[in-house]
Amino acid sequence: AQKVTQAQTEISVVEKEDVTLDCVYETRDTTYYLFWYKQPPSGELVFLIRRNSFDEQNEISGRYSWNFQKSTSSFNFTITASQVVDSAVYFCALNDYKLSFGAGTTVTVRA
Amino acid sequence: EAQVTQNPRYLITVTGKKLTVTCSQNMNHEYMSWYRQDPGLGLRQIYYSMNVEVTDKGDVPEGYKVSRKEKRNFPLILESPSPNQTSLYFCASSSKQGNEQYFGPGTRLTVT
Repeated sequence: AQKVTQAQTEISVVEKEDVTLDCVYETRDTTYYLFWYKQPPSGELVFLIRRNSFDEQNEISGRYSWNFQKSTSSFNFTITASQVVDSAVYFCALNDYKLSFGAGTTVTVRA
Repeated sequence: EAQVTQNPRYLITVTGKKLTVTCSQNMNHEYMSWYRQDPGLGLRQIYYSMNVEVTDKGDVPEGYKVSRKEKRNFPLILESPSPNQTSLYFCASSSKQGNEQYFGPGTRLTVT
């Protein structure tokens, strides 16, 4: 069974639109960590955020925001006022007793 | 500069010819791991290491070997590569399991 599900394979938006990436996870552990990583077209993997299971506060970093809801096992990511430079593959990941990645969501922002 | 390095970045080889992909980090991290990235499957963990001389299997260990003789190095060995091991490989390190991982630039391997 997939532990991290990113249901959206691809999302295409026009610049300045908001885009929300869904991430649903599955674990029986009470202590775990959730992550988002970005993979731009150049191929490197860039860490965006880490959240532990006891911290349900939402976080905002510039145009990026994250919504963690334990009740629905979701850790969604929103890009506000998207820009072309946001075009990338975004991965959600869960670390309970090991690290599992979702399949990724490809975001294309058109000028 | 804190970084994870991998070599080679690109490799084309033939079935059965043993190869090693090196990985090195300069952050004194305890935790290191290897992933392969395939379209539609995200990143899947091959092996990981909690510290020197401590390694364990990830989700897709078949056909791979690793060793951790020094803290900074974590090579990935393919004893007899096969075409289904054609993939993009990433090495990563973190100060401990559960912390954010720092990834190397990736190694694109093609096995013909």
